[in-house]
Amino acid sequence: GAVVSQHPSRVICKSGTSVKIECRSLDFQATTMFWYRQFPKQSLMLMATSNEGSKATYEQGVEKDKFLINHASLTLSTLTVTSAHPEDSSFYICSATQETSGHTDTQYFGPGTRLTVL
Amino acid sequence: AQSVTQLDSHVSVSEGTPVLLRCNYSSSYSPSLFWYVQHPNKGLQLLLKYTSAATLVKGINGFEAEFKKSETSFHLTKPSAHMSDAAEYFCVVSDRVEYGNKLVFGAGTILRVKS
Repeated sequence: GAVVSQHPSRVICKSGTSVKIECRSLDFQATTMFWYRQFPKQSLMLMATSNEGSKATYEQGVEKDKFLINHASLTLSTLTVTSAHPEDSSFYICSATQETSGHTDTQYFGPGTRLTVL
Repeated sequence: AQSVTQLDSHVSVSEGTPVLLRCNYSSSYSPSLFWYVQHPNKGLQLLLKYTSAATLVKGINGFEAEFKKSETSFHLTKPSAHMSDAAEYFCVVSDRVEYGNKLVFGAGTILRVKS
């Protein structure tokens, strides 16, 4: 149980275009989803937290207009990188949790999406 | 804010020998602590979790970790390394924020297993 999928696994795009990444919880309802990015040989950095039906909470330094997050249903969140540039190239990972209370804070991670911007 | 420090960026062991990956935490309250593993170009897999129950936590694949409050440590161990254990390991603490909880990751420890 607690499987999270991401699509696509890899994407290459031209500079200036937008890219959408999907994150799905396959066998549970995810009231909260998280988006991380991971640069080569570095740890994961939280970008934003999204609760179903409400606006995402972005971490300091993350541009909300550049990284659009939508969490329209209990099983799907999307991250859209708008007007992508080479410096946005990274490994983007989503995670989901089954509870919003915070008493159970185990996050289940997706396999990640490798974005390369040319 | 909570934080974790992984004391070794790289650890190399021989197959069949014990594994020790060290982690110290900083927390103003009783923390939730996790160890995750990441194989190359893959997502993260939860190895084990501590949430103020038993201080010795058993996880998957023979891993375990012991929560030591006096030492503010949560080291990950395995009695006998296997080649498939080669991966990057992250020690993680849960931090309470106004909108819930967020995970704070350590810098990671790359485990190399030699045959």
